[in-house]
Amino acid sequence: QVQLQESGPGLVKPSQTLSLTCTVSGDSLRSGGYYWTWIRQHPGKGLEWMGHISYSTATYYNPSLRSRVAISLDKSKNQFSLRLTSSTAADTATYYCARVSVGSFGSHFDRWGQGMVVTVSS
Amino acid sequence: QSVLTQPPSVSGVPGQGVTISCTGSSSNIGTYNGVYWYQQFPGTAPKLLLSGNNNRPSGVPDRFSASKSDTSAYLAITGLQAEDEADYYCQSYDSSLSAIIFGGGTKLTVL
Repeated sequence: QVQLQESGPGLVKPSQTLSLTCTVSGDSLRSGGYYWTWIRQHPGKGLEWMGHISYSTATYYNPSLRSRVAISLDKSKNQFSLRLTSSTAADTATYYCARVSVGSFGSHFDRWGQGMVVTVSS
Repeated sequence: QSVLTQPPSVSGVPGQGVTISCTGSSSNIGTYNGVYWYQQFPGTAPKLLLSGNNNRPSGVPDRFSASKSDTSAYLAITGLQAEDEADYYCQSYDSSLSAIIFGGGTKLTVL
């Protein structure tokens, strides 16, 4: 059973970099076949895809965040990470890591972490 | 404002059926067959409910089904149960934005 778990600081100061890590168990990031993604949800709002990374470390980012976001992979630890620079209060959200399944009908998110609340505040 | 438009809320009584719409455009639903649906309960992560070709992951009852017509997609729930009360999101890809996109979500209330 694949499980994902987000970790990192729950409080980030404005202008600083928001950094989160997702630890994957039950699946190997070395095996390929899936991409790995970050999705956020502002309080009381809908979902926003931030970007994802392939097992070969190819990255795809939401153009609305491209200048500030970076996703990386650490296969030795079976983890992938999110960095979001120049944080503002508008980045306060619940951040989810998820597994991306890519098929003939497009990409979708078939396994999710439980989510981590990150607040940007001084 | 989301590129995919969903009604903010729908409601129904137990046993009846409801349909949730997801309206897009030619750059997303109108072009791509892959429209996906997620279910989210308060305080929990979304869960994949239906895949692009109306496949249901293991454990999802057949009371849930999806369809698509032109630039809109639909989630139909029959035989409503109290446990279906949740938020529902549609998801697709938009070629103009080069981004995976979600609808704004629909809150289902079972009266």
